[in-house]
Amino acid sequence: DAKTTQPTSMDCAEGRAANLPCNHSTISGNEYVYWYRQIHSQGPQYIIHGLKNNETNEMASLIITEDRKSSTLILPHATLRDTAVYYCIVLGGNEKLTFGTGTRLTIIP
Amino acid sequence: NAGVMQNPRHLVRRRGQEARLRCSPMKGHSHVYWYRQLPEEGLKFMVYLQKENIIDESGMPKERFSAEFPKEGPSILRIQQVVRGDSAAYFCASSLARNTGELFFGEGSRLTVL
Repeated sequence: DAKTTQPTSMDCAEGRAANLPCNHSTISGNEYVYWYRQIHSQGPQYIIHGLKNNETNEMASLIITEDRKSSTLILPHATLRDTAVYYCIVLGGNEKLTFGTGTRLTIIP
Repeated sequence: NAGVMQNPRHLVRRRGQEARLRCSPMKGHSHVYWYRQLPEEGLKFMVYLQKENIIDESGMPKERFSAEFPKEGPSILRIQQVVRGDSAAYFCASSLARNTGELFFGEGSRLTVL
């Protein structure tokens, strides 16, 4: 029973903002939203996480809706190196990180 | 400031042989996780270890697979009597604390069983 739903694939033009949506309608109050990505043949890379407030770091921004039932990962100026599979993961205490199928993001030159 | 180091990066074994995959966590990290990624499939959790202890092995196959994280040295994932279905990328991750979702992954070890 998947905790998150993501589109299978998305394209984004190089230099534009990439907005990756994630639905997590059954999220509970103590569960965080984590985002990882996996560039082809590499290990997964942590991007960002949040609980209810919007978060920003050097890689991306995370926008979480007020009801916390969905979120959007924003890569502000996508480059070709951002082509990867992006995973949205809901995680509570004592749980292990579980990867779904993610969104395959392709940055178009 | 080395990240998580895994070796070997590529390993070829014949059916029935043993495979040993090693993982050195980031400096200061005492929590290690192993994940497996079969060809064209997602990452599956295998085992979580803290120094000298197995905390969660719910994703480990019941037979032929074992993991350890000794007091000194790297974590080892051992696969005995390998079969073709064991061919996969095995990723190790480490974390500074328990109950965190912020894991640092290595580049993986790719096992090919002939």
